[in-house]
Amino acid sequence: NAGVTQTPKFQVLKTGQSMTLQCAQDMNHEYMSWYRQDPGMGLRLIHYSVGAGITDQGEVPNGYNVSRSTTEDFPLRLLSAAPSQTSVYFCASSGRAQGLTYEQYFGPGTRLTVT
Amino acid sequence: AQSVTQLGSHVSVSEGALVLLRCNYSSSVPPYLFWYVQYPNQGLQLLLKYTTGATLVKGINGFEAEFKKSETSFHLTKPSAHMSDAAEYFCAVSESGANSKLTFGKGITLSVRP
Repeated sequence: NAGVTQTPKFQVLKTGQSMTLQCAQDMNHEYMSWYRQDPGMGLRLIHYSVGAGITDQGEVPNGYNVSRSTTEDFPLRLLSAAPSQTSVYFCASSGRAQGLTYEQYFGPGTRLTVT
Repeated sequence: AQSVTQLGSHVSVSEGALVLLRCNYSSSVPPYLFWYVQYPNQGLQLLLKYTTGATLVKGINGFEAEFKKSETSFHLTKPSAHMSDAAEYFCAVSESGANSKLTFGKGITLSVRP
């Protein structure tokens, strides 16, 4: 299993540009999440999904869109990039295979810079 | 609402010394608690977790943590630090084991001196 994969690893955008961060998992997990990591802030939840076709907002959803058309994929869209969105973005997935507690598996991250 | 407090941003210990990283949480329901480690330029790796049952939880790399409900704490310890333990450590809480909404603390950077 490849686990959770994210592309690209690095991206530089200009203010106002849009882009999609890709996330895929091959563990048949029903839950997927997007977090952003900023220095001194820990990780904060952007959006999450409890299954295909179902998404919901986390703590910091503004400026981001998600959709979940398949179990495997959970792309994160930046509609109009702003410097405040400069961050490291992590995708995570979890599911019943981990037993009682749905341990989250994290991808390697995408480092985004908005100029 | 759930929250996590990790006091201080940096801890430095000598190799072979005790490691103690503090975590306090707030939750309206019995919590699920986690410690994650992040090595430079990598993703997060689960160290250990508390769900129910035994309050002393053992994890990977010799780390353990004790859930103390009366103190709303879940401090991480390791008896003897190794150079390879240098990393950033995050405590996290979830109000349900069956969802994907983790609330993280701000993280603590652990440095290990030779």
